[in-house]
Amino acid sequence: AQTVTQSQPEMSVQEAETVTLSCTYDTSESNYYLFWYKQPPSRQMILVIRQEAYKQQNATENRFSVNFQKAAKSFSLKISDSQLGDTAMYFCSTGANSKLTFGKGITLSVRP
Amino acid sequence: GAVVSQHPSRVICKSGTSVKIECRSLDFQATTMFWYRQFPKQSLMLMATSNEGSKATYEQGVEKDKFLINHASLTLSTLTVTSAHPEDSSFYICSARAAYGYTFGSGTRLTVV
Repeated sequence: AQTVTQSQPEMSVQEAETVTLSCTYDTSESNYYLFWYKQPPSRQMILVIRQEAYKQQNATENRFSVNFQKAAKSFSLKISDSQLGDTAMYFCSTGANSKLTFGKGITLSVRP
Repeated sequence: GAVVSQHPSRVICKSGTSVKIECRSLDFQATTMFWYRQFPKQSLMLMATSNEGSKATYEQGVEKDKFLINHASLTLSTLTVTSAHPEDSSFYICSARAAYGYTFGSGTRLTVV
């Protein structure tokens, strides 16, 4: 069984600032992946970043990076130099070789 | 790469009719596809897992006879909402597992009037 918890329903950040979105998870899988997906107003789900659980090094993708704490089962997303286009819902999720489990999501607003 | 195409993007149907939503993997083979339902400002709720050449696996509480899933080829899965009612109005999204993760269709907004 897998669970994903995103406890912050909404966040707001000033353009060009840095923001961190929190996520904790639980899984019975030994090999699994963690993902952050972005869903802008168009509602298209876009992969932001992924992390293989067996890798200790935190994943980075340009302005996006994660803080993966495996023992604490924590997987937070840091967005640097926030841009107006980052305004969206963000979903944390985990999956092994089967279905994904999503958190409730967080609505991020970037203020100009 | 790993693109999933979902059609239609929007559909309005009359209560009591059936609606089919298609999900195609364009540049890869998808033995497994997933169907989600999403209400506004909420998370994706998995409805069923579609397996090529076999019966779909439905999540608890999802009516198999109302939401018919067919996965007849490695590139196409369909979701048919049968005898649709206004409460079936929602946003439906398909997904497939690709090499680097999971890729999603653009979604279908279903309105039943």
